[in-house]
This record gives sequence, C-alpha cells and structure tokens, in this order.
Amino acid sequence: KNEVEQSPQNLTAQEGEFITINCSYSVGISALHWLQQHPGGGIVSLFMLSSGKKKHGRLIATINIQEKHSSLHITASHPRDSAVYICAIGGADKLIFGTGTRLQVFP
Amino acid sequence: EAGVAQSPRYKIIEKRQSVAFWCNPISGHATLYWYQQILGQGPKLLIQFQNNGVVDDSQLPKDRFSAERLKGVDSTLKIQPAKLEDSAVYLCASSLASVGYGYTFGSGTRLTVV
Repeated sequence: KNEVEQSPQNLTAQEGEFITINCSYSVGISALHWLQQHPGGGIVSLFMLSSGKKKHGRLIATINIQEKHSSLHITASHPRDSAVYICAIGGADKLIFGTGTRLQVFP
Repeated sequence: EAGVAQSPRYKIIEKRQSVAFWCNPISGHATLYWYQQILGQGPKLLIQFQNNGVVDDSQLPKDRFSAERLKGVDSTLKIQPAKLEDSAVYLCASSLASVGYGYTFGSGTRLTVV
C-alpha cells in the first residue's frame, strides 16, 4: 500500500464546477504539499500545510492531522486549471509523492 | 526571487549515449534534490544534497547515474550509458533546510531515449 493515496486518479469537469481532490496518508508528517504539474512537466508548489486551512485565489487546501487526510478544492473551475495535481507529504527529510490526479476542465 | 533553473528543457538521445542535466537552485537554498518522474507516476527521489554533501542516494542507479554539487550551489546529473527505461522527466528542487521550508521545483528536463 502506498504511503500517499490520492483520489480520484482522473477527473473531468465543466467550467465553473466546484472540484475536490483528496489525499490520504499513512505516516507521520511535518508538512503536506499540494503541487500542480502542467503537461510540459514543470511543477509549481500551490500550498504547504501543517494544520487547518489555506486559501489562495480560487484554491483552498485543508488538512486534518488526526484523520491523516487533506483536500484540495478549486472553486469556479476554469480550463486553465487543467493539470495534474500531486499531493506530497514531508517526513523527516524527504517528500513522498502521490501519483497525482489528472484534472481536465472543459469550457 | 528567481526560481530553480534547469537545462536543457528537452533532450533526445540514443540508448547507450551519455547525457547531463544541470540545475541552479534558488540562492541560499542548502538542500537540493534530483527526482525522476516516469510518465503516469509521481516523482521518485534520486539523490538529495545538503550543501555539497550527499544525504540520500539510496535510489540512484549508481552503475549508470552520477550527480555532483560542487561548491554547494549548482548541480549536474549524468546518465552514462542511457537505457530506454531512463526516458522520464528529471526534476530538480531546492529548499532552505528540510522539506517544510521554501520547497521549489524547477521546470524539469524531459529526456527521451530512443
């Protein structure tokens, strides 16, 4: 069993829809990261969380340490949000990555 | 603040050839990571440097892969000789200290081995 599990693996949405991507993990962490990867391959860090909730524009990330679960929400989704969203957990000294959720938003 | 710089952006080589990738981390970031990301998978850590010393290279295929970080700044990752299964995106990342601080990825190098 992977230490980081994401769901769903693939997600399609119509423009304007509210989107939720989930991440569950099984080990203790110092921080959890949400990353965005566009088709070219580069990765952008969206959030780093150790507790509670963070918001940046239309993106909201939450984490429940007790339940070892985090969610990434996108409000009013747009085609430019189409990308792979990766959850990564930070342990003592390295990141452990989920396999990502591929999101496609259609106009 | 400038990001993590990587070059080249794309590279196509034949199997058994050699290739080298370059990474310039964010100024002041002590920790530098090289990741390999095969299509459809999450990134896999190849090697982690703290300044110019190696912290973790347990998943680096040392028979063909090598990496160095001279003077604790820039780093190069080399593959010699390349195999078809080395086709992947090679990502460099840097952070201030541990993974909780200022973790930043480069745009990656997409390697295709034919």
